[in-house]
Amino acid sequence: SYELTQPPSVSVSPGQTARITCSGDALPKKYAYWYQQKSGQAPVLVIYEDSKRPSGIPERFSGSSSGTMATLTISGAQVEDEADYYCYSTDSSGNHVVFGGGTKLTVL
Amino acid sequence: EVQLVESGGVVVQPGGSLRLSCAASGFTFDDYAMHWVRQVPGKGLEWVSLISWDGSSTYYADSVKGRFTISRDNSKNSLFLQMNSLRAEDTALYYCAKDMKAVAGIGGVDYWGQGTLVTVSS
Repeated sequence: SYELTQPPSVSVSPGQTARITCSGDALPKKYAYWYQQKSGQAPVLVIYEDSKRPSGIPERFSGSSSGTMATLTISGAQVEDEADYYCYSTDSSGNHVVFGGGTKLTVL
Repeated sequence: EVQLVESGGVVVQPGGSLRLSCAASGFTFDDYAMHWVRQVPGKGLEWVSLISWDGSSTYYADSVKGRFTISRDNSKNSLFLQMNSLRAEDTALYYCAKDMKAVAGIGGVDYWGQGTLVTVSS
């Protein structure tokens, strides 16, 4: 079955740039989406279609995709950005949706 | 404002059945595909099922295929998940989620409910 692979954890100091990667064989042909989930809350969409930012999401959140890897970048990470981040995409057929395993971002 | 409110989560015995519901408001329900996604407390997100805007196309994770059935009633702005032959490993918080597209499989989730907890235990 199709899988998306993320690092389990990323740690940065406040003000630094955090990069979270997501690798999958179908990413050259399928969009990646990124979700932020804070403890006890439902996920929130922060990036869609590889690099687009929904209204209300701070500009420090950006996304890119190249080959089999998508990347979520948080430029100037803040303490309030501490959360779990999940990538989302589909297999090449579009019939199976997959989430990555999640990356815990620590900002301290 | 988009609102998705799940209901139906309870404690059920292994082998039992359960029907989850999701009441949608704040958007034109029959313009969008819809998903169910689950999460074991403390663990990651797991996609469960997807249905197209008109219910003509449905897709399932391998872990639930043949046991769960997704459906929708566009006249009542409601999404459902019929869960049969439940197992302990189905214990999770179940989220109803709205897709960005009408056709299943080409978009992503843009809004989530708060979830309803299903516990499978004897």
